[in-house]
Amino acid sequence: AQSVTQLDSQVPVFEEAPVELRCNYSSSVSVYLFWYVQYPNQGLQLLLKYLSGSTLVKGINGFEAEFNKSQTSFHLRKPSVHISDTAEYFCAVLYGGSQGNLIFGKGTKLSVKP
Amino acid sequence: GAVVSQHPSWVICKSGTSVKIECRSLDFQATTMFWYRQFPKQSLMLMATSNEGSKATYEQGVEKDKFLINHASLTLSTLTVTSAHPEDSSFYICSARGSRTFTNTGELFFGEGSRLTVL
Repeated sequence: AQSVTQLDSQVPVFEEAPVELRCNYSSSVSVYLFWYVQYPNQGLQLLLKYLSGSTLVKGINGFEAEFNKSQTSFHLRKPSVHISDTAEYFCAVLYGGSQGNLIFGKGTKLSVKP
Repeated sequence: GAVVSQHPSWVICKSGTSVKIECRSLDFQATTMFWYRQFPKQSLMLMATSNEGSKATYEQGVEKDKFLINHASLTLSTLTVTSAHPEDSSFYICSARGSRTFTNTGELFFGEGSRLTVL
């Protein structure tokens, strides 16, 4: 079955600390990988995506993620977080090609404290 | 970039009335639109998938007679919550996918969401 697992439902960190939000997915031959961010009472905004090529992808707001095929992971990282990064982060995996099914993880609430 | 707009952002209605939420792709043609429901502090739950000119495909457990979806054009899809009740109060989000020529990455573009409160 296709599934996306975000192991941490909440991640509290202090400002300027590094952070990693974890995402694992069920194995498949063809996947595209995405990270979205959701601020309160807003829709989803694309942070970054992996389609092919370099396994390290850089996104907006200083975030990056690394695709690890052997571990079926796509963890999101930022070396130094800001208060404004406080939001909900969703990992999503597109199975079955560009017109396939987009499966979301349950989300990770990142809380940045001063 | 691709922009998807939802309207209204907030709506409050009385129990028993119907509410329509619009989802528009402003600068591209959306061959497929998706409607999600999001409960507080939870992930997005896919309600239905609609292709332009076709009937929507509903996910298991979603009442198609209660949540009417229309995708009459390549830039507009509507979700109508019929005979709304307090338990229908939620955050509804639409997303749109363009044709292969527009984006071959499968990326979905999301609306801003609509907060429905049924009194």
